[in-house]
Amino acid sequence: DAKTTQPTSMDCAEGRAANLPCNHSTISGNEYVYWYRQIHSQGPQYIIHGLKNNETNEMASLIITEDRKSSTLILPHATLRDTAVYYCIVRVAALGNEKLTFGTGTRLTIIP
Amino acid sequence: DVKVTQSSRYLVKRTGEKVFLECVQDMDHENMFWYRQDPGLGLRLIYFSYDVKMKEKGDIPEGYSVSREKKERFSLILESASTNQTSMYLCASSLDDRGGGGTFFGQGTRLTVV
Repeated sequence: DAKTTQPTSMDCAEGRAANLPCNHSTISGNEYVYWYRQIHSQGPQYIIHGLKNNETNEMASLIITEDRKSSTLILPHATLRDTAVYYCIVRVAALGNEKLTFGTGTRLTIIP
Repeated sequence: DVKVTQSSRYLVKRTGEKVFLECVQDMDHENMFWYRQDPGLGLRLIYFSYDVKMKEKGDIPEGYSVSREKKERFSLILESASTNQTSMYLCASSLDDRGGGGTFFGQGTRLTVV
């Protein structure tokens, strides 16, 4: 699975859009981009994933660049409850490859 | 919404006890997993299962066993608890979806072995 690089920490004002970047320059054609987050003392939470097209769900939007070497997770109107560590993962979706490995992620703090 | 429910949020057990951690998912997922999470070590896979009565060892299976008698339930067993098994235990499930579905986690069980 391709390696990802994320900033260690970010702050965002409550009510503003939080834009979390992820670099995955060695991504291969069959690898998906996944985003998870983990709020303190809770289990990780799946947010969104995509292959090449931009994706949106009720939680967030995922913007993947045309060359697929980077992506951005957008939380459109951040709230205090969005304070968490956000993990970007790149992996092949295939039988036998379901194990998840989280890096250090981005610690996002939402400021009141 | 997918729900993965772990039987206990916090558990304190004595060294040498047999410990059962139960996990149930309600979305008919084929895959189920047990991870442990420790500060500085990240998520480590203990065991996983692709189907009923199936189990595969993960990266750190020693001292653990699992049981999957029904599709929705995956149990983790600590045969004889030791203090180095004090950790946050996370159960997860996912579809056998080669189109790339997400993995859904329970709320975690913080186990302390004294």
